[in-house]
Amino acid sequence: GENVEQHPSTLSVQEGDSAVIKCTYSDSASNYFPWYKQELGKRPQLIIDIRSNVGEKKDQRIAVTLNKTAKHFSLHITETQPEDSAVYFCAASMGGFQKLVFGTGTRLLVSP
Amino acid sequence: NAGVTQTPKFQVLKTGQSMTLQCAQDMNHEYMSWYRQDPGMGLRLIHYSVGAGITDQGEVPNGYNVSRSTTEDFPLRLLSAAPSQTSVYFCASTPGSTGELFFGEGSRLTVL
Repeated sequence: GENVEQHPSTLSVQEGDSAVIKCTYSDSASNYFPWYKQELGKRPQLIIDIRSNVGEKKDQRIAVTLNKTAKHFSLHITETQPEDSAVYFCAASMGGFQKLVFGTGTRLLVSP
Repeated sequence: NAGVTQTPKFQVLKTGQSMTLQCAQDMNHEYMSWYRQDPGMGLRLIHYSVGAGITDQGEVPNGYNVSRSTTEDFPLRLLSAAPSQTSVYFCASTPGSTGELFFGEGSRLTVL
């Protein structure tokens, strides 16, 4: 089955810096790669996703890149703000977008 | 719309007891799923459903049962609770047109 590895597990940056979180997946058939943000004590919420027919997608300060050959995808956050502090999860589909396999999460801390 | 509603929010069980976590959505989404979240392990899929009357197993189905008699409801049953089932449980629904998971607020279960 699909296996998703996520790095780093924790990431500390200064406000205004960029943050990059990387994930690798094992199943070359996976074709959907979302990123979820979970604030402390809250439910996860989708922040951006990408499908396998696209190499990059941007939404304001957030971007995701996908390298299907290498089977890895990354989340890029520019101009980080304290409210970006949260746990971020990557995921990959294993045969339908309702069957996601999640990475283990990255705790991002943005210091003012 | 209330979105995805889970009950109870907190529950303490003794080993061997059974219980049902309730999940309801009012968005007319086809797909529903249950995940458990454990520290350092991300979110893991327990069971999912692609429509009323249709359910299937995810990554970690042992010890759990589900049914989907209506589009709105997707209860998760713990047959004989074990300490290893101590976790935070999230129900999610997904429309058929996109891959976005809409999560409930979560249910924190402790098994003593």
